[in-house]
Amino acid sequence: DIQMTQSPSTLSASVGDRVTITCRASQSISSWLAWYQQKPGKAPKVLIYKASSLESGVPSRFSGSGSGTEFTLTISSLQPDDFATYFCQQYSSFRTFGQGTKVEIK
Amino acid sequence: QVQLVQSGSELKKPGASVKVSCTASGHTFTGYTMSWVRQAPGQGLEWMGWINTNSGNPTYAQGFTGRFVFSLDTSVSTAYLQISSLKADDTAIYYCARDTGSLQHWGQGTLVTVSS
Repeated sequence: DIQMTQSPSTLSASVGDRVTITCRASQSISSWLAWYQQKPGKAPKVLIYKASSLESGVPSRFSGSGSGTEFTLTISSLQPDDFATYFCQQYSSFRTFGQGTKVEIK
Repeated sequence: QVQLVQSGSELKKPGASVKVSCTASGHTFTGYTMSWVRQAPGQGLEWMGWINTNSGNPTYAQGFTGRFVFSLDTSVSTAYLQISSLKADDTAIYYCARDTGSLQHWGQGTLVTVSS
């Protein structure tokens, strides 16, 4: 099974900060990676698919990069609405989620 | 627009069974695989497996074999998750999600609480 390791688990940041979250796969997944945002009490929402493609309607301050085993989600200028938990998910072989990164207010 | 609407919260005793439904609209039900995802309280997301809505063939992730059953009723565009012999650590929110690799559309989640 493919394991996904996200870091950090918690991130404290201020509005306007540039934020980067990393996801590592235990083996190559090419670009078969998605990123999700989840707010308390809500279902996850897809932000990025195929490692770097922005889902329709998602603000352009979100971007994804990487291939193979190393991936990043970047928020270029953190907004109040962005304080949430973020998950990566591989879909190269079945599905596996990372353990999540909670973005908190500093 | 695509919508997945799940059944309401359930409170069950240990050893009982529960069946969660997920009714789709706004797309061709048999055109997309449906995944199920579990989220225990305060925890991350666990992929439980999927069901091919065309063939009805289910695939279960490790840790979700035996007590977990995925099924369909294509006549009402509905997928089901049944869990038998419930345990306290089955307490979680269960989501269905339309699977095209990424999970683009999600149900609102169904909270299943197992408590005596």
